[in-house]
Amino acid sequence: SQQGEEDPQALSIQEGENATMNCSYKTSINNLQWYRQNSGRGLVHLILIRSNEREKHSGRLRVTLDTSKKSSSLLITASRAADTASYFCATGKTGANNLFFGTGTRLTVIP
Amino acid sequence: EPEVTQTPSHQVTQMGQEVILRCVPISNHLYFYWYRQILGQKVEFLVSFYNNEISEKSEIFDDQFSVERPDGSNFTLKIRSTKLEDSAMYFCASSEGPLTSGNSYEQYFGPGTRLTVT
Repeated sequence: SQQGEEDPQALSIQEGENATMNCSYKTSINNLQWYRQNSGRGLVHLILIRSNEREKHSGRLRVTLDTSKKSSSLLITASRAADTASYFCATGKTGANNLFFGTGTRLTVIP
Repeated sequence: EPEVTQTPSHQVTQMGQEVILRCVPISNHLYFYWYRQILGQKVEFLVSFYNNEISEKSEIFDDQFSVERPDGSNFTLKIRSTKLEDSAMYFCASSEGPLTSGNSYEQYFGPGTRLTVT
């Protein structure tokens, strides 16, 4: 199976703290994308990292990719209550034009 | 900022009925996708579409499903005879280019259509 698996499944932190979510996958990929989903709502694209990249930043987000370990991490710094959502990694398998989603991490930021 | 839009936001239908879910992808995008998310489960790929034809489809996308780009802006998913297990959130997505290229383009998702089959 190609699907990514995030851990932890749920994470609860205080506002201002950093949140780290991890994603592991099984086959070779072309890229990995992170999305946020508020309860019952759409998927918001956060960041894309390509297989030849090791780290990317976007505002308070930092994503790393280790293709040798087939894993990625999403770090949200200085978290806010509005960051409360589910976060998903989605992998673009080499040669395929679709995304495989992980199970997601449910992040709760307590004000 | 351009975004993918979907209509309706919620569709209730009876088992056996046909439904058409509609999407307007981002205007300069060339690749279109449908995914679904059954309540509490992962987002699953259904189909990708490029140059007026299906480029990839999953095992879920059987003969009951079809996609169409009827004009220059809309992209539709039709389910011919709905089943209870088709109840899910259906997401349309689009990208400027393919994931398979060296550039690897972002896929942008719409807000979803919640389909409830009774």
